[in-house]
Amino acid sequence: DAKTTQPTSMDCAEGRAANLPCNHSTISGNEYVYWYRQIHSQGPQYIIHGLKNNETNEMASLIITEDRKSSTLILPHATLRDTAVYYCIVKPLETSGSRLTFGEGTQLTVNP
Amino acid sequence: DTAVSQTPKYLVTQMGNDKSIKCEQNLGHDTMYWYKQDSKKFLKIMFSYNNKELIINETVPNRFSPKSPDKAHLNLHINSLELGDSAVYFCASTRSAGGGETQYFGPGTRLLVL
Repeated sequence: DAKTTQPTSMDCAEGRAANLPCNHSTISGNEYVYWYRQIHSQGPQYIIHGLKNNETNEMASLIITEDRKSSTLILPHATLRDTAVYYCIVKPLETSGSRLTFGEGTQLTVNP
Repeated sequence: DTAVSQTPKYLVTQMGNDKSIKCEQNLGHDTMYWYKQDSKKFLKIMFSYNNKELIINETVPNRFSPKSPDKAHLNLHINSLELGDSAVYFCASTRSAGGGETQYFGPGTRLLVL
């Protein structure tokens, strides 16, 4: 699986947009970009994923560069409950046993 | 209703003991996983079962034995517990079709070996 690089930590003011970057310069053509987050003491939670087009759901938006070597997760109006470790994961298409390889992630702290 | 549940939530035990942790999902998924999160917060996959068949077995000591009695359950039995087994163990499940499916995680079982 391609390696990802994320900043160790970021801060964001409550109500503002949080933009979390991820570099995945060795991504292959069949690898998706996934974002998960882990709120303290809870299990990881799926946020969003994409292949090459930008994606949006009720939680966030995912912007993938045209060369697919980097992406940005956007939380449009961060709240205190968005404080968590955010993981960017690239994962190839597999039919069964599709594993997630977690890196260190970005600790996002949303401040009041 | 809880989608992926684990029991127990906390487990404190002595070195050398044998213990089991259980996982159940009510999502109708066909693939289940065990992940381990150590004290440094790294999450690593241990095992994966698809339709009750073991398909991923990372370099895990054979003291760890997963068992899947049916597609909705994946249990983890640990023999001769060691101090280094102290960690949070997360169960996850997914529907395997297409390979692009998301994984749903349980709340974790916090194991402390004394």
